[in-house]
Amino acid sequence: EAQVTQNPRYLITVTGKKLTVTCSQNMNHEYMSWYRQDPGLGLRQIYYSMNVEVTDKGDVPEGYKVSRKEKRNFPLILESPSPNQTSLYFCASSSPGQAYSPLHFGNGTRLTVT
Amino acid sequence: AQTVTQSQPEMSVQEAETVTLSCTYDTSESDYYLFWYKQPPSRQMILVIRQEAYKQQNATENRFSVNFQKAAKSFSLKISDSQLGDAAMYFCAYSMLMNYGGSQGNLIFGKGTKLSVKP
Repeated sequence: EAQVTQNPRYLITVTGKKLTVTCSQNMNHEYMSWYRQDPGLGLRQIYYSMNVEVTDKGDVPEGYKVSRKEKRNFPLILESPSPNQTSLYFCASSSPGQAYSPLHFGNGTRLTVT
Repeated sequence: AQTVTQSQPEMSVQEAETVTLSCTYDTSESDYYLFWYKQPPSRQMILVIRQEAYKQQNATENRFSVNFQKAAKSFSLKISDSQLGDAAMYFCAYSMLMNYGGSQGNLIFGKGTKLSVKP
């Protein structure tokens, strides 16, 4: 089954404790992206990647890191989480090309930083 | 920079009735995509409908249709014969159309409209 898999689904952590949210897709998609969703703000893009070793900042990149060493994986790293990073996070992927390719979303990761 | 505005934080509709969710956007591009996504309590992001700006015909998907007004930069979603399962958060989104014909992938979302359906 074609899917984007995020782990974990729920995560509670403390301020300053490094964490990684994993994202993997099995569709051989070139493009991958991370969004955060906050009440009243909708979804905002954190980082995106057009291919392996190619990453770029989205609208709210502060406090986050990403890497794209393999095509299928695009982990989101919070080196020193803070309470304002409490949010719902989505990973997404697609295959940009000459035809429209829908964006496939993972099921989300609910992160709470205390 | 492109922006997407949903001016209705919450809407309510009676089961079997019709409801329209509003969305306006701002862009200097002439070709782009517009989307409506549905997010039920399960948190899944579900694509409801897509509109290519170069197409004059409004997109429809079963009970869901859009009213795309390019000059006014308006993209409303009409849900006909509303069902209890339509209760969800709805997001309007914009994506650039790249010169190779496809979408880059980056979406700009509105803040969402929470739709309640009354039995």
